[in-house]
Amino acid sequence: GAVVSQHPSRVICKSGTSVKIECRSLDFQATTMFWYRQFPKQSLMLMATSNEGSKATYEQGVEKDKFLINHASLTLSTLTVTSAHPEDSSFYICSAGRGQVNEQFFGPGTRLTVL
Amino acid sequence: GQNIDQPTEMTATEGAIVQINCTYQTSGFNGLFWYQQHAGEAPTFLSYNVLDGLEEKGRFSSFLSRSKGYSYLLLKELQMKDSASYLCAVTDSNYQLIWGAGTKLIIKP
Repeated sequence: GAVVSQHPSRVICKSGTSVKIECRSLDFQATTMFWYRQFPKQSLMLMATSNEGSKATYEQGVEKDKFLINHASLTLSTLTVTSAHPEDSSFYICSAGRGQVNEQFFGPGTRLTVL
Repeated sequence: GQNIDQPTEMTATEGAIVQINCTYQTSGFNGLFWYQQHAGEAPTFLSYNVLDGLEEKGRFSSFLSRSKGYSYLLLKELQMKDSASYLCAVTDSNYQLIWGAGTKLIIKP
């Protein structure tokens, strides 16, 4: 159990376009969902934490108007990268938290390349 | 501030044993996780410790000492596929997960 899917797995887009990434917990209801970004050879960087039905909490330095997070249900969260630029190219990973200690189960990640 | 330290890189030989250390200073403690991440992939869960002591799971074991703010991940009978980054993460008093930078483990034949 505890499977998290993420779609798409890879996306290439032109500069200025918006990209939506979906994260779903397939066999459990996630109390919280997390969005991470990882640049090559660097550690995970938490971007934001979201709870179903409430606004996401963004980490310092992450622009909430650029990275829109919608947590529509206990099994679905979306991240939209608006007006993407080449510097937004990165590996975006979501995770779904379960239980009081928020044990996190990761999606397979989305590799975004902005041309 | 909150801080998690682990070595940047380690090298070990196939078939050997390696211990990856993690020390932490966080505001509160509600458990420590170890994750494995292969290059280009998302992390996968390895272990969770919330009480002091050793948790063994096959070739992998994880140890925790809360009084010392210290944990280690022990990998036995190393295989080439164990080459990966190993991430230590601590849940603080707000149940927020604080991540270490990861230890890149290189296995040589």
